[in-house]
Amino acid sequence: DAGVTQSPTHLIKTRGQHVTLRCSPISGHKSVSWYQQVLGQGPQFIFQYYEKEERGRGNFPDRFSARQFPNYSSELNVNALLLGDSALYLCASSGGTKSSYEQYFGPGTRLTVT
Amino acid sequence: SQKIEQNSEALNIQEGKTATLTCNYTNYSPAYLQWYRQDPGRGPVFLLLIRENEKEKRKERLKVTFDTTLKQSLFHITASQPADSATYLCALEGDKIIFGKGTRLHILP
Repeated sequence: DAGVTQSPTHLIKTRGQHVTLRCSPISGHKSVSWYQQVLGQGPQFIFQYYEKEERGRGNFPDRFSARQFPNYSSELNVNALLLGDSALYLCASSGGTKSSYEQYFGPGTRLTVT
Repeated sequence: SQKIEQNSEALNIQEGKTATLTCNYTNYSPAYLQWYRQDPGRGPVFLLLIRENEKEKRKERLKVTFDTTLKQSLFHITASQPADSATYLCALEGDKIIFGKGTRLHILP
């Protein structure tokens, strides 16, 4: 079975632009979470979606938004990019909404904002 | 505010010895605590989960303890190998999952 997949692998954008990152969960997983990881830090929670509904949101500005599709894949959108948005964006899928379920992470999308 | 601290940014251990990593937390009462391994440029990989009513959990050469009184978890790798070199992250559940900054473990041959 394929693991969690994310696209693109790398992305370079300029300040003020918009970006869309994509994630496909493991087959059968209905929960997708998004994390931002800057160098030297642990992943920071952005959103969790379960059954197409938002179940959790971290401390990120409204420039960050996400959605989940009927096939449980997900998109993370970031508007008006800032230099500080440069990071590794990780998607994780799990079988449920609680962390009692193992999370399976994708390889991430490396976003560079110049 | 809720806080997680992994006490060492980096830890060097001789091959064959036991590596012990620490995760402390404050202003939190997690029901679960998880440990992940992360290699450079890759996503974290789940290793172990321990519940608040469990004192210890083992998986092969890995052992995790969870002391809710001390608000601390210890992660042990016995008979460490150079392939165990990686960053290890602890994560707690609250209304959302919070990760520590991680500890970079280097196993020296």
